[in-house]
Amino acid sequence: AQTVTQSQPEMSVQEAETVTLSCTYDTSESNYYLFWYKQPPSRQMILVIRQEAYKQQNATENRFSVNFQKAAKSFSLKISDSQLGDTAMYFCAFMAGRRSNYQLIWGAGTKLIIKP
Amino acid sequence: ETGVTQTPRHLVMGMTNKKSLKCEQHLGHNAMYWYKQSAKKPLELMFVYSLEERVENNSVPSRFSPECPNSSHLFLHLHTLQPEDSALYLCASSQKGAGGGGLAGITYNEQFFGPGTRLTVL
Repeated sequence: AQTVTQSQPEMSVQEAETVTLSCTYDTSESNYYLFWYKQPPSRQMILVIRQEAYKQQNATENRFSVNFQKAAKSFSLKISDSQLGDTAMYFCAFMAGRRSNYQLIWGAGTKLIIKP
Repeated sequence: ETGVTQTPRHLVMGMTNKKSLKCEQHLGHNAMYWYKQSAKKPLELMFVYSLEERVENNSVPSRFSPECPNSSHLFLHLHTLQPEDSALYLCASSQKGAGGGGLAGITYNEQFFGPGTRLTVL
């Protein structure tokens, strides 16, 4: 079975600090995508960053970057220079297989609080 | 309206009521999804409609009934719900098929989400 595990239910850091959210996954597939989604309080879920498994280079989007360790099946999200607007639930998700355009496998989420 | 919209945003219903959730996407996508989001649990995919094909999670109870009259609208009909059905119900859409890049045998299509309907069953 394919699973995604986020081991940190909640994290809290001061504004401007760097924070890393962890995610591990389990799959026998060799080709897949990994995603981090952000869900701010009472707002819509939005895609933060994605990584293709066949790419060695870690994806980066402005202050957001990932550390993708394929052998370890680890996909952590680093947020640099954190801002108050980064306060949200963060979900790690995984997509693989022939029905990949249908199904994302989700982690349970990490609640991130940025303190002023 | 832009993106994916959902109505109502909040719904309180008794176990004997019948209600419907509505989702509309303004992105020209051809696939729509219903998810259930419960606290401290992974999102649960309930139903997918894609190019007139319906895919469902076999664990979803029959008291949830989806309807997709066209590629822009998706409904979730609710009847005789249970208190454990209380959750945030999210709708999403994506473009199935080519586009967005892909690997051999796999297609990546970003899903865009609505704001959700917070459902409380008394």
